[in-house]
Amino acid sequence: GQQVMQIPQYQHVQEGEDFTTYCNSSTTLSNIQWYKQRPGGHPVFLIQLVKSGEVKKQKRLTFQFGEAKKNSSLHITATQTTDVGTYFCAANAGNNRKLIWGLGTSLAVNP
Amino acid sequence: NAGVTQTPKFRVLKTGQSMTLLCAQDMNHEYMYWYRQDPGMGLRLIHYSVGEGTTAKGEVPDGYNVSRLKKQNFLLGLESAAPSQTSVYFCASSSRVSGGQETQYFGPGTRLLVL
Repeated sequence: GQQVMQIPQYQHVQEGEDFTTYCNSSTTLSNIQWYKQRPGGHPVFLIQLVKSGEVKKQKRLTFQFGEAKKNSSLHITATQTTDVGTYFCAANAGNNRKLIWGLGTSLAVNP
Repeated sequence: NAGVTQTPKFRVLKTGQSMTLLCAQDMNHEYMYWYRQDPGMGLRLIHYSVGEGTTAKGEVPDGYNVSRLKKQNFLLGLESAAPSQTSVYFCASSSRVSGGQETQYFGPGTRLLVL
């Protein structure tokens, strides 16, 4: 079945360093969503990208959707300890209610 | 608004026992989902529902049953629990949005340990 590959699986950074996680698909995606899950918590929606080449920003977070709508990235500038958690991408490939989830990137930030 | 709530928060079962996990949402969402989350496996869809009275299988439905008798509730049942069902279970709901794109709102999760 369709898969969404997310890399890296883990990332350990010093506070203040940047962080990027990537999401890739072999097929064209209708849209892509990003979620954050804090340790011991539940996934929380961050943003959705729909248009080819779309770029959205939320404070220190920058989200991009590739021109071919097959990949996406989340970039965090100057990480803080509050950024710790697992970041998931989830994609909708067609007109159905199911999201295809990446395995997530776990971010650890050293203070 | 409580959003999405799940009960219980934590449960320990013996192999072969049965239990029902309850999910409730007060956002009038049409769609509801049950996921399980295991280390290194991400979120895997067990069953989902696109409306009251309808359910469908997800990626890993074996060993589970669901019911959606009321729009606001989605029940997940384990008829005969197995150690492989030890996991964290998340319920989520979403609303219908034009264009087929919607975001999912998650409950706090139920941690299940099967001995």
